Amino acid sequence: DGGITQSPKYLFRKEGQNVTLSCEQNLNHDAMYWYRQDPGQGLRLIYYSQIVNDFQKGDIAEGYSVSREKKESFPLTVTSAQKNPTAFYLCASSMTPRGAYSNQPQHFGDGTRLSIL
Amino acid sequence: AQTVTQSQPEMSVQEAETVTLSCTYDTSENNYYLFWYKQPPSRQMILVIRQEAYKQQNATENRFSVNFQKAAKSFSLKISDSQLGDTAMYFCAFMKKSTSGTYKYIFGTGTRLKVLA
Repeated sequence: DGGITQSPKYLFRKEGQNVTLSCEQNLNHDAMYWYRQDPGQGLRLIYYSQIVNDFQKGDIAEGYSVSREKKESFPLTVTSAQKNPTAFYLCASSMTPRGAYSNQPQHFGDGTRLSIL
Repeated sequence: AQTVTQSQPEMSVQEAETVTLSCTYDTSENNYYLFWYKQPPSRQMILVIRQEAYKQQNATENRFSVNFQKAAKSFSLKISDSQLGDTAMYFCAFMKKSTSGTYKYIFGTGTRLKVLA
């Protein structure tokens, strides 16, 4: 079955440590996204990528980095510069709409919960 | 800037009854897309229903329907014959194409719905 796989499900970070969250999709989707979810704040966009080797900052990119070397993969690194990394992280992907009236919803992974040790 | 507002942080409904979740958005665009997602306690994001802004007809998916009022920028979700499995967080989302050609999704803060037996 096609889908999006996020790993690990739970991750713990020590002070000053960088950690990387994995996101892999086999849906042949062009676009991939990373969101952070905090209680009462919905989903906030961290980074997104429409094609391989290209990505854009979202609304809360500071303290995070990404790469898009392969279409299937969009890993997110939470750096030591992110002072409040405890949150639930969701990865999503979608087809790039073709034409003006093409409606493409996002498909989501099961998420990674990151906590500070 | 585009925003999505869900003014009801929490709601409850008796099993088999009908409930309506509200969503308003702010945009100057004419072509865009709207979605409702459901996030049950498992935290997986599930697409419930979608609507294209150019369509006047309200979308319907089984027990789920929307009331799309483009002029009022309102996109409410109606759940009929509520079931215990409908208990979840519901997010309204807005998608548009930016001038750079990328697609972004903006989410509301969510409404927590509890269906009571």
